[in-house]
Amino acid sequence: AQKVTQAQTEISVVEKEDVTLDCVYETRDTTYYLFWYKQPPSGELVFLIRRNSFDEQNEISGRYSWNFQKSTSSFNFTITASQVVDSAVYFCALSARGSARQLTFGSGTQLTVLP
Amino acid sequence: DVKVTQSSRYLVKRTGEKVFLECVQDMDHENMFWYRQDPGLGLRLIYFSYDVKMKEKGDIPEGYSVSREKKERFSLILESASTNQTSMYLCASSFGSVYSNQPQHFGDGTRLSIL
Repeated sequence: AQKVTQAQTEISVVEKEDVTLDCVYETRDTTYYLFWYKQPPSGELVFLIRRNSFDEQNEISGRYSWNFQKSTSSFNFTITASQVVDSAVYFCALSARGSARQLTFGSGTQLTVLP
Repeated sequence: DVKVTQSSRYLVKRTGEKVFLECVQDMDHENMFWYRQDPGLGLRLIYFSYDVKMKEKGDIPEGYSVSREKKERFSLILESASTNQTSMYLCASSFGSVYSNQPQHFGDGTRLSIL
C-alpha cells in the first residue's frame, strides 16, 4: 500500500516570508512518481511538478523549489518570498509504477499568505 | 491548452435521486478519473477509465457507477443519492498508458449537496 502524509494542516505566513510545505511518502515500489498540485479558492487543481524516483536532483522554478530526499522519503516544497496569490491548498501525491490506481494524495496543506 | 469541463459547479439533489455528473476533456486523453474531495481526507479515487468502455474501481466505488461511451466523456452516476455523498467531485484526465504516470489535468469541480 502507498501513503502520503502532509502533517501541516494549515500554515500562515506574512507576505515575502519563505515557507516550506512538508510531504512524506511510503511505498514498496522502487519506481514511483511524486507530484505537487495547487488548489486555489476557485477549486481547480493545478499541476506544479512531477519527479520520478531515480531523479533526486532538486528543482527550482522561479520562486518555487522542491527538495527530494529518498533517504527520508520526503518531497518538500518551498516557496520563496511568498505572495498573497500563493494562498491555496497544496497537495502532494504519489503514483507507483505497479499501481493501477494512479495517484494517492496527501490530505493537503492550506497555505494563507497575509499582506 | 488543456481543458477538462465539468457540467455543473454546484448541484443540489434529494436523497434517493439518481444523479449524473458529466465530465468532458478536449485533449484526446486515454485516461479519465473521478475523485471526491472531503476536508481532511484529500482526494480519494472513485473510479477511473483507461479506454472507452473500460473502467476500474478506485478506493471508494461503493454507491457509484461510471460510464465511458466516448473517449472524451466520462460520467459519474450516483444510483440512489445519500446524504453521505455530499462532497466536492473532481474529474481529471491524463494521456498515455495507465502506468505511464503522466500528470493529471483537473476540472473545476462540482460541489454536490444531497438533502
